[in-house]
Amino acid sequence: GAVVSQHPSRVICKSGTSVKIECRSLDFQATTMFWYRQFPKQSLMLMATSNEGSKATYEQGVEKDKFLINHASLTLSTLTVTSAHPEDSSFYICSASRGQDTEAFFGQGTRLTVV
Amino acid sequence: GDSVTQMEGPVTLSEEAFLTINCTYTATGYPSLFWYVQYPGEGLQLLLKATKADDKGSNKGFEATYRKETTSFHLEKGSVQVSDSAVYFCALIRGGSQGNLIFGKGTKLSVKP
Repeated sequence: GAVVSQHPSRVICKSGTSVKIECRSLDFQATTMFWYRQFPKQSLMLMATSNEGSKATYEQGVEKDKFLINHASLTLSTLTVTSAHPEDSSFYICSASRGQDTEAFFGQGTRLTVV
Repeated sequence: GDSVTQMEGPVTLSEEAFLTINCTYTATGYPSLFWYVQYPGEGLQLLLKATKADDKGSNKGFEATYRKETTSFHLEKGSVQVSDSAVYFCALIRGGSQGNLIFGKGTKLSVKP
């Protein structure tokens, strides 16, 4: 299978600061990337879908100005949590797909803690 | 809206025991169904899938049958191993891309030697 690498795996930041999470497809070109969030003991919830070179499509209830997504190349998408607050603490996981009807491959996730 | 419900964990079994993890779904139409597995420290991996009613997905000794009558996709394995210890997620495709998924909460499986 294809490999998706997510970095960092864990990050702790102070309230009010911004943190960037990277998602890279290491051995394939990802035209579409997905960002999910998982609260403790809850399902993974899709936050947004991004296609290379275009603006991300956010799910209802997700603040696009708070969760900035950039998909500037076919191998890299970034999620920036701006002005982080403790309630943003969560597990964030990305997935990447070669195309519309192909399997999506997941990164290992990032545990964000805002203190 | 569409949703997936899977049994609460954690599930603890002895090696060679029979495994069932229940999964039911609510959806409009008949979406493709998936089981993903997450081993400690790793990302989610597709374990198996079924794209239409009565399909059986299978991989690594795991099986699941798409049953539209009971809107279920239960995961089974006849004889688990310690290496099967992981978190298992049931999911359905929300529409369009295979990356656009609705997940269950996940079930943690621990297999003891």
